Amino acid sequence: GNSVTQMEGPVTLSEEAFLTINCTYTATGYPSLFWYVQYPGEGLQLLLKATKADDKGSNKGFEATYRKETTSFHLEKGSVQVSDSAVYFCALSPNTGGFKTIFGAGTRLFVKA
Amino acid sequence: DGGITQSPKYLFRKEGQNVTLSCEQNLNHDAMYWYRQDPGQGLRLIYYSQIVNDFQKGDIAEGYSVSREKKESFPLTVTSAQKNPTAFYLCASEGGTGNTIYFGEGSWLTVV
Repeated sequence: GNSVTQMEGPVTLSEEAFLTINCTYTATGYPSLFWYVQYPGEGLQLLLKATKADDKGSNKGFEATYRKETTSFHLEKGSVQVSDSAVYFCALSPNTGGFKTIFGAGTRLFVKA
Repeated sequence: DGGITQSPKYLFRKEGQNVTLSCEQNLNHDAMYWYRQDPGQGLRLIYYSQIVNDFQKGDIAEGYSVSREKKESFPLTVTSAQKNPTAFYLCASEGGTGNTIYFGEGSWLTVV
């Protein structure tokens, strides 16, 4: 079946450090891949997405590339800020009938000033 | 602005009571979802609906009920049969390229 595995947190970084949060997936066919961010006490917000292999999603300095050969969609940012402290969720949509997006367990990021 | 509106933001329930969480969307999406999130945890699917007047149970539907009488609305009732309802509840809809999920701001339910 389809699944998403993301690195366990928490991840603690100093401001301006480089961020990588790993995400790998298992799926049949060609799913769409997403990263969502959740700030404390709020709903999830779409951060970026990629709908086909080799696509790069980007937003607010974050990037992720859809790598079909390694079944990965790692989230990266070159220089994190304290305001990036949040929980990040990797997700997969099977694109087969369009229902039941699968979410990873989430990775909490703390950025210290 | 298009989006998903959940209400109330905070709700307190006495034991034995049913409570209903509202979810309205103006994105013209067919599919809608309810998720439960416990503190520090991920998302668990309660119910989903792909079209008006149709819905299916998710992974943790026991103690919950839904209706989908209008495309824009997907209310969730937390019944007295749900023994541990204290959690953060998220409503979502799905549409656009790649079947993107869009979330509301969430509702906090606490049993008192």
